[in-house]
Formats: sequence, structure tokens, C-alpha cells
Amino acid sequence: DTAVSQTPKYLVTQMGNDKSIKCEQNLGHDTMYWYKQDSKKFLKIMFSYNNKELIINETVPNRFSPKSPDKAHLNLHINSLELGDSAVYFCASSPRLDWDLTDTQYFGPGTRLTVL
Amino acid sequence: GQQVMQIPQYQHVQEGEDFTTYCNSSTTLSNIQWYKQRPGGHPVFLIQLVKSGEVKKQKRLTFQFGEAKKNSSLHITATQTTDVGTYFCAGPETGANNLFFGTGTRLTVIP
Repeated sequence: DTAVSQTPKYLVTQMGNDKSIKCEQNLGHDTMYWYKQDSKKFLKIMFSYNNKELIINETVPNRFSPKSPDKAHLNLHINSLELGDSAVYFCASSPRLDWDLTDTQYFGPGTRLTVL
Repeated sequence: GQQVMQIPQYQHVQEGEDFTTYCNSSTTLSNIQWYKQRPGGHPVFLIQLVKSGEVKKQKRLTFQFGEAKKNSSLHITATQTTDVGTYFCAGPETGANNLFFGTGTRLTVIP
């Protein structure tokens, strides 16, 4: 009955590979996000999806592409992995996108990506 | 660009001592949220403040939103080892609807 789940929890891979991280939420939320947390614990938003539409695309390399097959899923695909991509990636969701009041975000457990 | 800074970056306290982290935004925020991330865990929502000067309490935790809505603080009274973790403030990014997270304060409680 996990609210926001991610797989895998750990991912170790070689430079140049392509990998995907999956995220699912069973909260019925409209908006999902991907965050990157670096070794200094800084949390930076990468993408958000609202009703299957990409609404925010931060200045991340185009090697990163979010894919949302439906409202409950937002997967992150990464091409040609680089050493600097090593980080913890968190998926999150929120009930809606409200211009007046930012919603509380519910985070998944995170995926620790290590690029060798 | 918009910045949300927190001080201190790190804090070590003896169990039973008080702890405060301060959050300062370069822009006025419509609201501010606080999250706690335990070591090895994920951020978990603690509270949201909306009104200027608002103060909210959760047991030993006291949250305050500044009058100008550009700063906030979290105060923990009589820390316990279970308080260990990184505390983040977060506010809406200007012109967008995503959260902009602060730099975080990592709290260590020495038993």
C-alpha cells in the first residue's frame, strides 16, 4: 500500500549506458515530479507532469526524458549516462496544480544511481 | 535567480539542547513548507505556513513564517535522537507551480 514507489532502489551502471527509473503513485494525484539530490543533499526539481502533460522542464540535459504512460506513472529515462549523473533521484506527487497554493509533495523512497 | 538559503548548513547538538534552522528567500513566498529527511530516507512533509507572521506548533517543533513572507524558522525544543536528519524549507518557485527547496540543515544529535 506504498503511496509513491520507485524501482529500482539502487542502480549501478557504466558510463554511456541507457537506464530507466520507474515511479508509480496510488494516491490519485494529478501531478508528478522528478527531483535530483546530489551528494551535498541539494534537492533540484527536474520535471513535473500534470495530467500527462509536461508542464515544467528545468534546464536538464536532453539525455533525460520523462515518460508518463498514465496519470499514476512517471518514468525517467536517461541516455548516455555520465559520471555527473550519479545522485539520488526522487519521484514525488501532489494532488493538483494550484496557482494559488502549492500542494504538499509526497516523495518516493528514492533511487540511488551510481555511474562508474 | 530565485534562491532559498538555510542556515546553518550543519548543526551538532547534545541531546536535550534546543535547535533552530533559518530559511531565507530572495523573493516573497505565498507559502512555505517544511520537510524532514532522515539519513538514507526521503523528504517527508512536516507543515505548511501561509499567513504572514504565522506560528504553528507540532509537539516540540515550532514553525514561524516571517512578516514579510521571505523568511521562516523551525525551532526544536529539547532535541532527541529521533530528530536527526536534514530539514528543508521549500517555497513556490516564482512564476511556476513547483517547489523550490532550500539548501537544507543537517542536524546531528549526540546522545
